Amino acid sequence: AQRVTQPEKLLSVFKGAPVELKCNYSYSGSPELFWYVQYSRQRLQLLLRHISRESIKGFTADLNKGETSFHLKKPFAQEEDSAMYYCALRGLNNNAGNMLTFGGGTRLMVKP
Amino acid sequence: KAGVTQTPRYLIKTRGQQVTLSCSPISGHRSVSWYQQTPGQGLQFLFEYFSETQRNKGNFPGRFSGRQFSNSRSEMNVSTLELGDSALYLCASSGRTSGRTLNTGELFFGEGSRLTVL
Repeated sequence: AQRVTQPEKLLSVFKGAPVELKCNYSYSGSPELFWYVQYSRQRLQLLLRHISRESIKGFTADLNKGETSFHLKKPFAQEEDSAMYYCALRGLNNNAGNMLTFGGGTRLMVKP
Repeated sequence: KAGVTQTPRYLIKTRGQQVTLSCSPISGHRSVSWYQQTPGQGLQFLFEYFSETQRNKGNFPGRFSGRQFSNSRSEMNVSTLELGDSALYLCASSGRTSGRTLNTGELFFGEGSRLTVL
């Protein structure tokens, strides 16, 4: 079985402060990890995936297989980062398809 | 490109009825996935269709079913509705395949169909 845990339902920070949204997973095989984001009144959309190893909107996330974590980080939060963030896992096997397991989500509020 | 379109956006049904939700994927996308979103359970995978074949199925009862047509449009059906079926049903399409493995890329989500069961 695979599971994704986001321990914080709500994270509130001030503008300019560093942000870390935590994500832990459990999966017996090789996982592919994603962060999806939903801004107010917008659709759920991909923010980044660990395979790409890229920074999107200043956010980065590193897959730590030893700690089974995929935390999302940004050094300086902006008000426009306020949104709902979901960590998701896809098992890397021939039948995985688009079956994603999502965490419960963390609402990030960036205060001015 | 037009995004993923889901209809209807909102609907109200009573217990015991059935409902059909529709999803039109982004043009050229062959994979359509369905997810149920509730405050208590979060986002849960229902099933995925690729080239008219169900590729994966989540842990939902048989009352939940789906299909995909040759134009990649998909429908999901819930029969004998229960109060607990009240949820936002999200459809997502994806267009990427890679080599022999049906590896996938980014999921593009629709706005969802919000079902209320009374």
